[in-house]
Amino acid sequence: SQKIEQNSEALNIQEGKTATLTCNYTNYSPAYLQWYRQDPGRGPVFLLLIRENEKEKRKERLKVTFDTTLKQSLFHITASQPADSATYLCARGRSGGYQKVTFGIGTKLQVIP
Amino acid sequence: GAVVSQHPSWVICKSGTSVKIECRSLDFQATTMFWYRQFPKQSLMLMATSNEGSKATYEQGVEKDKFLINHASLTLSTLTVTSAHPEDSSFYICSARAPGSNYGYTFGSGTRLTVV
Repeated sequence: SQKIEQNSEALNIQEGKTATLTCNYTNYSPAYLQWYRQDPGRGPVFLLLIRENEKEKRKERLKVTFDTTLKQSLFHITASQPADSATYLCARGRSGGYQKVTFGIGTKLQVIP
Repeated sequence: GAVVSQHPSWVICKSGTSVKIECRSLDFQATTMFWYRQFPKQSLMLMATSNEGSKATYEQGVEKDKFLINHASLTLSTLTVTSAHPEDSSFYICSARAPGSNYGYTFGSGTRLTVV
C-alpha cells in the first residue's frame, strides 16, 4: 500500500532557527507531494506542492525538497517564528483526473521564543 | 484565494439522531469534493469522494448508508451522519481542488461532531 510516514513526535526548535521536517513514502514515487499546515481544531491549509521531477520548491521562508532515491521529502522553515507552531502534514497524490490524496499523521512543530 | 466554507463548525447531537454538514466552494466550482474524518492525534482519513450529479464513491470500510453524501450543485456537497452513535464523534473536514495545477486542496474549517 502507499504509505506516508512522518515523525509523530513533536519537534521543538528555538526561534530564528531552521526547522526541518521529514516525510518518507513507500512503494512507487507519487506524481507529487504536498505540504499542509494544520492548527488545532482547524482544517489543513495548503502550503506547497512539489512534483516528482522537481528537486526543490520555495515559497518565502519555506522550502521543500523531493528525493526519489531516498523516497523522502524535507520541509524547511527558515528563521522560524512562534507563529509557525502548528502541525505540518505531508500528503502524496497520483496524477490523473481523479486524484486521491493520502495524508501522513503530521509532525507537530513548536517554536520556542 | 480559493475558499471552502464548512458549516457548522461544531455540533452536539443525541445518539440516534442525524446530523447534516455542509461544504460550499465560495469562489470556484467543484465537480469533486472530498470528505475526511480525523480522530485525535491521527491522520486525515478519506471517507468518500463526492461527485456532482452522480453517486459518491466511498472508501473501504465506510458505510454509505450511514454517511449519506449529496452533491447537488457545483458548489455544494453535504454529508449526513445518520443514526449517529458516540463512536461517530470525530472531526469531519471537506476539501476541494480549485482550478490550477499548482494548487493543493482547499479545506473547510472542519466540523467537530460530538454524539452524546
